Amino acid sequence: AQTVTQSQPEMSVQEAETVTLSCTYDTSENNYYLFWYKQPPSRQMILVIRQEAYKQQNATENRFSVNFQKAAKSFSLKISDSQLGDTAMYFCAFMKQPISSGSARQLTFGSGTQLTVLP
Amino acid sequence: AAGVIQSPRHLIKEKRETATLKCYPIPRHDTVYWYQQGPGQDPQFLISFYEKMQSDKGSIPDRFSAQQFSDYHSELNMSSLELGDSALYFCASSLGSVNEQYFGPGTRLTVT
Repeated sequence: AQTVTQSQPEMSVQEAETVTLSCTYDTSENNYYLFWYKQPPSRQMILVIRQEAYKQQNATENRFSVNFQKAAKSFSLKISDSQLGDTAMYFCAFMKQPISSGSARQLTFGSGTQLTVLP
Repeated sequence: AAGVIQSPRHLIKEKRETATLKCYPIPRHDTVYWYQQGPGQDPQFLISFYEKMQSDKGSIPDRFSAQQFSDYHSELNMSSLELGDSALYFCASSLGSVNEQYFGPGTRLTVT
């Protein structure tokens, strides 16, 4: 079974500053995907970024980037130029590589990090 | 862009009643997932479907059942509701199983 650990229940950052959220995971799988989702007060789950384990290059989406360390089983999220709208609960999630197109794999989530961006 | 649609958005039921939650995936998405998120918790996977066939099963109680229909929409049927079933229920969809899961806005179920 896979486990995902987010050791920072709460974090805060000043607007326009940079913040890094931590995530570690445990798995015996070699092929898998990692994700960051954000859940603002509306409770909508919004995909932030995705990383394939076989890719060495870290994923980037505008102000969001990850630091993926496969050997260390670490997957941190860096938010640059933080904005008030980034205030949300951030969940790290793991998904095993599907063995076929029909094997719809579940996401396993961490416990989340509540990020507050301060004006 | 079209998103995942869930209905109803809010539902209040009494103990031992039944509830049906509906999910309409993003057009052309063939895979549907159901998650349950209790208060202050992370989402927990319940069940998934690919091309109308059950694909993966998580911690779904025997009182719950689900299916995916020919138009790819899915329904989660919940019977003999308990207070502990009060939660936010998310449906997510994806195009195939290797692509990202996009979540709907959720159905908030309250059991009294």
